[in-house]
Amino acid sequence: ILNVEQSPQSLHVQEGDSTNFTCSFPSSNFYALHWYRWETAKSPEALFVMTLNGDEKKKGRISATLNTKEGYSYLYIKGSQPEDSATYLCAQNAGNNRKLIWGLGTSLAVNP
Amino acid sequence: KAGVTQTPRYLIKTRGQQVTLSCSPISGHRSVSWYQQTPGQGLQFLFEYFSETQRNKGNFPGRFSGRQFSNSRSEMNVSTLELGDSALYLCASSFSSGTIYNEQFFGPGTRLTVL
Repeated sequence: ILNVEQSPQSLHVQEGDSTNFTCSFPSSNFYALHWYRWETAKSPEALFVMTLNGDEKKKGRISATLNTKEGYSYLYIKGSQPEDSATYLCAQNAGNNRKLIWGLGTSLAVNP
Repeated sequence: KAGVTQTPRYLIKTRGQQVTLSCSPISGHRSVSWYQQTPGQGLQFLFEYFSETQRNKGNFPGRFSGRQFSNSRSEMNVSTLELGDSALYLCASSFSSGTIYNEQFFGPGTRLTVL
C-alpha cells in the first residue's frame, strides 16, 4: 500500500522568506509525482508533474526537485508572498494509471 | 474555456438516504476522477471514468458508485448514507492523450453533510 507523507504539517513564514517542504513516497514502482496548490475556498491547482529521477521543475518563484531512488521531492518557494498562502499537496500515481495517492499536505501561511 | 463544474455545491441529507452528485468536465476532457476529502484522511481516490467505463477504483464500499455519460459528464451516487460520508467530494477532469501524467483540473466540490 502506497503511503505519501508530507512535512511539515504547517508552516508560518514572513513575507520575503524562502521556504521548502518535503514529500516522501515509496520509491519502488514509481511512476509520477504531482504537486498541487489548494487555496482556501478554491479548487486544487496543479503545479508540477515529475517523472524522472533528478527532475527539476520551476514556475515563477516555485520550484520542485525529485529523487525517485530515495523517495522524496522538495518544493521550494523563493521570497514568499501572502498570495502563496495555501495548502501544498503532493500525490503519487498508484501504478500505471490515474489513481493518485495523496499526502495530507503542508499548510503555508505567509504573514505580510 | 469553462472549468470543471459540480452540482450541487452543498447538500444536507440524513442517514439512510441516498445522494447523487454531478460533475461536468472541461470540454474535450474524457477522463473524470472522483475524490473524497475529509480533514483527517485528506484526499482519497474514489474512482476514475474514461469513455463511459470505470478504469480505476479506490478502496470504498459498494455504496459508492458512479457512471459517465457519452458527453463525459459524470455522476457519483452514495446509497444508504452514513454519518462518516460527510465530506467534500471533488471531481477532476483531465485530457487523456495516452499518458497518465496529465494534470487534473478540479471542480469546486460538493460539500455533503449527513445528519
